[in-house]
Order: sequence, then C-alpha cells, then structure tokens
Amino acid sequence: AQSVTQLDSQVPVFEEAPVELRCNYSSSVSVYLFWYVQYPNQGLQLLLKYLSGSTLVESINGFEAEFNKSQTSFHLRKPSVHISDTAEYFCAVSERYNNDMRFGAGTRLTVKP
Amino acid sequence: EPEVTQTPSHQVTQMGQEVILRCVPISNHLYFYWYRQILGQKVEFLVSFYNNEISEKSEIFDDQFSVERPDGSNFTLKIRSTKLEDSAMYFCASRTVNSPLHFGNGTRLTVT
Repeated sequence: AQSVTQLDSQVPVFEEAPVELRCNYSSSVSVYLFWYVQYPNQGLQLLLKYLSGSTLVESINGFEAEFNKSQTSFHLRKPSVHISDTAEYFCAVSERYNNDMRFGAGTRLTVKP
Repeated sequence: EPEVTQTPSHQVTQMGQEVILRCVPISNHLYFYWYRQILGQKVEFLVSFYNNEISEKSEIFDDQFSVERPDGSNFTLKIRSTKLEDSAMYFCASRTVNSPLHFGNGTRLTVT
C-alpha cells in the first residue's frame, strides 16, 4: 500500500521568503500525487495535482510542485510567500489502480511579517 | 462549481450515544469516502464506498462504524456508541473515475 512522509511538521518563514515543503512517497505502482491546503477552521482544498504529463505542476496562487520519480518526491515550493499562505499543507498519494488516497502528517506553514 | 456538502458542521454528543454524520456528494460522482482528523493530527482514511458496498476500510473503521447510501444523494457515516476518542473532524469526499477527491468542509464531532 502507498504511504506518504512529510519530513517537516512545522515550517516558519518570513513574508516574501521562498519556501519548500517536502513530501516523499512510497508505492510499488504508478501514482497520482496531490497537495491539499487546510486554512484554520476550514476543510481540505485541492492546491495542485500531478496525474500525468509534465512533472512540474502549478497552482493559481503561485505554488508549484515537481514530481521526481527517481527520488519518489513531490515537494511543494513557492518563491515568495504571503501572510495569507499560513495554513496546514497535506501531501497525498493515490495508487492508480484503486485511486484510494493516503495523506501525509501535514506541514504547518507559518508566515511571519 | 458543485460541492460536497456535509451536515451538521458541528455535532456534540454524549459518550455511548449514536451519531450519524451526513454527506451529499457531488451528483455525478461514483466513489465515496470518509476520512477523519483528530485535532492537530494527520488526516486518516476510514472507508471507501463504491457500487453500494465498502471497497476498503482501515483499522480505525471497526464494528462501531457503518456507512450507508440510503438514497441517490446522501452518504452517511454512523457511529453506534461513541467514545471520547471519536472526537475529531470527519471529512466526506467523493470523486468520479480518475479524478482527485473533492472534500466537504467537514463535521466536527465532539464527544463529551
């Protein structure tokens, strides 16, 4: 079965600094990869996804993630963060044959002024 | 854009009571899920449901839990006899074939 590891439980950064949230997965089959964001007291929102094709995927609010098959990683990056990016970020993986999704433990991104 | 709808947003119940959490998945979706998130912890898979039966369930989903799709629109999670440790946010999700999961905003269950 698939699993996801998010190496950093908390990432504090200053506003306008770059950030990378790390995600590694394990699976014996082909996968789909996702990042979800959870703002305080809200549900899970899909941030971006990798299904196939280009290994670099982007969201509308400036985040990007790159699928690296050899390193089994799907790290999330943003070149310049805003206060409003403060949230919990969850990496998730689903195996293509069944599409059932598993989540990482989450990374709490805190952007400070 | 269609949404997954969950009701209620917050449910408070006493230990030992039965609760039913309700979800209305997106109308053309075929696969349905329940996840839970204990406060401050990771999102955990509970159960997946397809073609009117459970596809997969986790160790958390024991005999106290059940799911049902009683009609063409609702998808419910029942906990027969709640325990304190069942306090969590419960998320419903749905998808169609080869699509990402769409999540509801969750129901916060508080067991006292």
